[in-house]
Amino acid sequence: EAGVAQSPRYKIIEKRQSVAFWCNPISGHATLYWYQQILGQGPKLLIQFQNNGVVDDSQLPKDRFSAERLKGVDSTLKIQPAKLEDSAVYLCASSLAIQSTEAFFGQGTRLTVV
Amino acid sequence: ELKVEQNPLFLSMQEGKNYTIYCNYSTTSDRLYWYRQDPGKSLESLFVLLSNGAVKQEGRLMASLDTKARLSTLHITAAVHDLSATYFCAVDGTGANNLFFGTGTRLTVIP
Repeated sequence: EAGVAQSPRYKIIEKRQSVAFWCNPISGHATLYWYQQILGQGPKLLIQFQNNGVVDDSQLPKDRFSAERLKGVDSTLKIQPAKLEDSAVYLCASSLAIQSTEAFFGQGTRLTVV
Repeated sequence: ELKVEQNPLFLSMQEGKNYTIYCNYSTTSDRLYWYRQDPGKSLESLFVLLSNGAVKQEGRLMASLDTKARLSTLHITAAVHDLSATYFCAVDGTGANNLFFGTGTRLTVIP
């Protein structure tokens, strides 16, 4: 079974630039999550989708971050404009359903803002 | 907001020794997860604990959950070098897999 795919693996941008990350969840998984993991910390949930609808985006900095999952499959996370403190690994995860007891994580995109 | 605390943050132990990592959380939850993360890699699910008193074991790792004390433990028995990694506990804050993670415990097993 293919896992959660993310791209790119690495990205370096200058502050105030824009960046986008892509995630393809496990086939058939209705629920998709984006997490931010700052170096030395645990992951923090940014946004949760159920199919193409947002379930929870309470921790998403909406002034600069946006995410979509238009067809209920792939998702993109965008940062515009980036700040130095956005340097982190962005992890995508998916689960079969909201009630599922396990989420599977992708390898993440490591973003460095200089 | 749900708070999850792990201790210790760093753990260096010799091969063959036993040790326990603790995970405390601030709000009632019936779902607790343990993950392993190797440097530069993603999170690997180790255990899912769904009820008070749940105990699960896999190899040299055993996890338990006490929902009344809001405490989970990850016990390492006779550590080996391959167990070196960062271990996270995570608590489901809403019952919808909205996970709140601890800060992690970086384990180094010394041969």
